[in-house]
Amino acid sequence: DTEVTQTPKHLVMGMTNKKSLKCEQHMGHRAMYWYKQKAKKPPELMFVYSYEKLSINESVPSRFSPECPNSSLLNLHLHALQPEDSALYLCASSQGGLAIYTGELFFGEGSRLTVL
Amino acid sequence: DQQVKQNSPSLSVQEGRISILNCDYTNSMFDYFLWYKKYPAEGPTFLISISSIKDKNEDGRFTVFLNKSAKHLSLHIVPSQPGDSAVYFCAASDSSNTGKLIFGQGTTLQVKP
Repeated sequence: DTEVTQTPKHLVMGMTNKKSLKCEQHMGHRAMYWYKQKAKKPPELMFVYSYEKLSINESVPSRFSPECPNSSLLNLHLHALQPEDSALYLCASSQGGLAIYTGELFFGEGSRLTVL
Repeated sequence: DQQVKQNSPSLSVQEGRISILNCDYTNSMFDYFLWYKKYPAEGPTFLISISSIKDKNEDGRFTVFLNKSAKHLSLHIVPSQPGDSAVYFCAASDSSNTGKLIFGQGTTLQVKP
């Protein structure tokens, strides 16, 4: 199993809603990532979990709250988002932990988020 | 300040010919470089990588060249196939720092039959 599975694929939410994006991998990878990608822009790193601990937060606003319940799951909780937060949110995983960022990232298909 | 740049937003080549995608970087501490390919409605998939101790890495039809003095790398696809049509992202990391990947803006490759 070499997949990273993200749900939902599409999400539309209002600015007062609370929703969550979910990501799952069963490759035994110990690092998991959230990236944000706007149209015609490169993916931008948001958070990194290494061995289920948050190791990098790229100064992301608190309306985005990551959670890593176990080594296979990664959630991104969304609350009070703004329209400019509309983007493709990509989850990725990689083998090893903090020292192995130079390795290959396996990406999910992404969750397309629209904030009204 | 964009540390990884792909200056060509798009490239169109004929099937069977060579595709050359270029990438420039500004951070001399970058020591690992990767290329990802992305089809519409899919996440990026890893294609090929190169460490700064090498200047060339080859995998089938795909070859990545690294010119450290020019801070430039390129991806060669020979021969190009219509199925290669996708967005290609260059990425770089500095393993002595956090090692996180910095992506370029991407180049859309179209291979015409």
